[in-house]
Amino acid sequence: GAVVSQHPSRVICKSGTSVKIECRSLDFQATTMFWYRQFPKQSLMLMATSNEGSKATYEQGVEKDKFLINHASLTLSTLTVTSAHPEDSSFYICSAAGRDSSNIYEQYFGPGTRLTVT
Amino acid sequence: RKEVEQDPGPFNVPEGATVAFNCTYSNSASQSFFWYRQDCRKEPKLLMSVYSSGNEDGRFTAQLNRASQYISLLIRDSKLSDSATYLCVVNTLYSGGGADGLTFGKGTHLIIQP
Repeated sequence: GAVVSQHPSRVICKSGTSVKIECRSLDFQATTMFWYRQFPKQSLMLMATSNEGSKATYEQGVEKDKFLINHASLTLSTLTVTSAHPEDSSFYICSAAGRDSSNIYEQYFGPGTRLTVT
Repeated sequence: RKEVEQDPGPFNVPEGATVAFNCTYSNSASQSFFWYRQDCRKEPKLLMSVYSSGNEDGRFTAQLNRASQYISLLIRDSKLSDSATYLCVVNTLYSGGGADGLTFGKGTHLIIQP
């Protein structure tokens, strides 16, 4: 299966700073990338969906000015948490999706980034 | 009503036993169904897709009941390594044809005891 990487895997930052998380699909052209957030003992919650070259679509309750998403290419999407606060501490997971040569829709998850805001 | 509902457990099961989980979904337009496994502090990994005809992969059997809108996962001869959280996942492709993010259940926590 395809490999999706995220960087960094773990980050600790101070309140008020911004953090950028990268998501790369290493052998897969992702026409769509998804960003999820998972709080402890909670399910994954979709934050936003982005298609390459266009603006991201945010889920209700997710502030687009706080969580900046850029999907500049078919292999890279970034999520920037601006002016992070302790309540933003969470596990952020990206997912890359697209259709393979057989037109089968596939979706692969990155390993996640654990953000701790102090 | 939540879109995807699961019993959070935990299910404490002795090694070698058979265990079954159910999951219900609310959107009748849902197209694809999956079971994911998530280990503590890790990303979810696809365990198996769930087909209308039901499917089996080794010790794991998945069933789909569209009329009742529920999905099941059966694990036979459970192993210690099966201890994890099992996420019921539904994908709904809307009429626009675009892909939608997967909708996850909260997960069922399984603990296999020696």
